[in-house]
Amino acid sequence: AQSVTQLDSHVSVSEGTPVLLRCNYSSSYSPSLFWYVQHPNKGLQLLLKYTSAATLVKGINGFEAEFKKSETSFHLTKPSAHMSDAAEYFCVVSDAKRGGFKTIFGAGTRLFVKA
Amino acid sequence: DGGITQSPKYLFRKEGQNVTLSCEQNLNHDAMYWYRQDPGQGLRLIYYSQIVNDFQKGDIAEGYSVSREKKESFPLTVTSAQKNPTAFYLCASINLNTEAFFGQGTRLTVV
Repeated sequence: AQSVTQLDSHVSVSEGTPVLLRCNYSSSYSPSLFWYVQHPNKGLQLLLKYTSAATLVKGINGFEAEFKKSETSFHLTKPSAHMSDAAEYFCVVSDAKRGGFKTIFGAGTRLFVKA
Repeated sequence: DGGITQSPKYLFRKEGQNVTLSCEQNLNHDAMYWYRQDPGQGLRLIYYSQIVNDFQKGDIAEGYSVSREKKESFPLTVTSAQKNPTAFYLCASINLNTEAFFGQGTRLTVV
């Protein structure tokens, strides 16, 4: 069965330090994986996506994620956090199934950035 | 411009009433989804539709109903059977391997 687990509900970092948001997934086939960000009172914005090309994916605002099939992980990283990165982040898996595909969101990780 | 439109932005429902949330897209996407977002929680899948005249239940379908008579439209009805309907509802249209396009959301409040 398809599922996505974000391992931390909250992550707190200091400005200028690295960010790691963890995501594990389960999938029956070859999934597409995404990270979205949602700032307070704003809509969802796509950060990056993996669709069976390069396993290291670079996104907007300095974020990147690495697809590791052996670990079924797609963790999101950024070398240096900025105050504007404070938001909720969602890991998403989209997987083929009979008759089409299904897209599932993780529960989200709220990132706090301290000055 | 192509996009996805949800209406209304705010909706108030009395106890025991059914209400219908609208979602329209002109992106020519086959698949459309309804999610529910509660404070401090992620997006939970209510229903999704891969093609016209077909839809599947998501993780929290109880108390909701949908229809997909046209490719462009995927309305969600929140029925009186939904015991806790106050939430933010997001509609999305998606093609495999592309990003999801979201409407601006509908905030439903039971009064």
